[in-house]
Amino acid sequence: AQKITQTQPGMFVQEKEAVTLDCTYDTSDPSYGLFWYKQPSSGEMIFLIYQGSYDQQNATEGRYSLNFQKARKSANLVISASQLGDSAMYFCAMRETGYGGSQGNLIFGKGTKLSVKP
Amino acid sequence: SQTIHQWPATLVQPVGSPLSLECTVEGTSNPNLYWYRQAAGRGLQLLFYSVGIGQISSEVPQNLSASRPQDRQFILSSKKLLLSDSGFYLCAWIFYSGGSAEQYFGPGTRLTVT
Repeated sequence: AQKITQTQPGMFVQEKEAVTLDCTYDTSDPSYGLFWYKQPSSGEMIFLIYQGSYDQQNATEGRYSLNFQKARKSANLVISASQLGDSAMYFCAMRETGYGGSQGNLIFGKGTKLSVKP
Repeated sequence: SQTIHQWPATLVQPVGSPLSLECTVEGTSNPNLYWYRQAAGRGLQLLFYSVGIGQISSEVPQNLSASRPQDRQFILSSKKLLLSDSGFYLCAWIFYSGGSAEQYFGPGTRLTVT
């Protein structure tokens, strides 16, 4: 069964507007971490934001925030005030920290390609 | 600060040829290291991970192998490449800080098997 689902293969957003990238996950592990990565055309994977399953507040890092809804098993990424440089692939990932994970490796979704229009 | 290096950056190899990709980490000791592969237009697939020297775990059966000869060195190899081995190979390590663990990636190697 797919553990990380990103239902939006591609998204467009106007520069300076906010955009939400969807991510749902599936796990029976009570302890887990959720990540978002940005992959520009150069291929590098850039860590953006992290949310722990026991964190009470939604994570924020600059223009990035993670809308964590535990009961719905969703971890959407919100990018505020989009910039042209935000155009990239965005991957949601999960790490199971309990008995289910293999030493901390990440399980990735298939990604969402975000295009920011000027 | 911690950094992770990969080389080569790009590689074009014929089918049946051997492969050796290298990953090294600086600024940390005894890191957990990972090899991922990303096929064109797809997400990342974990290939191998290592928690220490000589300790390799394989996630996907294939014609690839990995070795960890030194604490901060992780090598991905193949004796005979297949066309399906083409892709973008990423090395990663985990940084533990407080109650969280963040996984950082190297710049990647783009492999094309012809």
